[in-house]
Amino acid sequence: NAGVTQTPKFRVLKTGQSMTLLCAQDMNHEYMYWYRQDPGMGLRLIHYSVGEGTTAKGEVPDGYNVSRLKKQNFLLGLESAAPSQTSVYFCASSYSTFRTSGIYEQYFGPGTRLTVT
Amino acid sequence: AQTVTQSQPEMSVQEAETVTLSCTYDTSENNYYLFWYKQPPSRQMILVIRQEAYKQQNATENRFSVNFQKAAKSFSLKISDSQLGDTAMYFCAFMKQTGNQFYFGTGTSLTVIP
Repeated sequence: NAGVTQTPKFRVLKTGQSMTLLCAQDMNHEYMYWYRQDPGMGLRLIHYSVGEGTTAKGEVPDGYNVSRLKKQNFLLGLESAAPSQTSVYFCASSYSTFRTSGIYEQYFGPGTRLTVT
Repeated sequence: AQTVTQSQPEMSVQEAETVTLSCTYDTSENNYYLFWYKQPPSRQMILVIRQEAYKQQNATENRFSVNFQKAAKSFSLKISDSQLGDTAMYFCAFMKQTGNQFYFGTGTSLTVIP
């Protein structure tokens, strides 16, 4: 199993450009998440999905959109990049907490370092 | 809302010694999960240990153990026989039992000194 993979690993954008980050998982997890990590602030949740076709806002959703058309993929889009979106982005996945038993920790991808100039 | 506080931004420990990282959290929930994640310089987030709040026994994983004090809402991580490979950022995280969101602390940067 590849686990959670993210594409690309690095990207540099100019202000106003758009891009999409792709996250894929092969563990048949129901839940998927997008975080951003900034120095001194830990990980902050941008958006998440509890199943195919469903998404929800997290703590810092402004400036981002997401889609989950397939269970194994979760896309994060930046429509008009801003320097404030310079960050490291992590995707994660986990089983649903409504299973009667299981392990609910999140499995993380390797991260994408995005720089917006 | 849940909050997770890690009050030690940086710590250091001599190789082979023991170190304890602190974590406190605020919640009105009775059932929840707690986690410690390690993030080495490679940036990969790695699960170190997890604890279910309904279990009184503290979780252990080899050299890693926790001191879970539910009434005090405290969840500290003890690393015994520290190794150079333990150098990393450590994050404490909280999740409600029926929730779908993790709440992370701001992290503790641990350096193991040879």
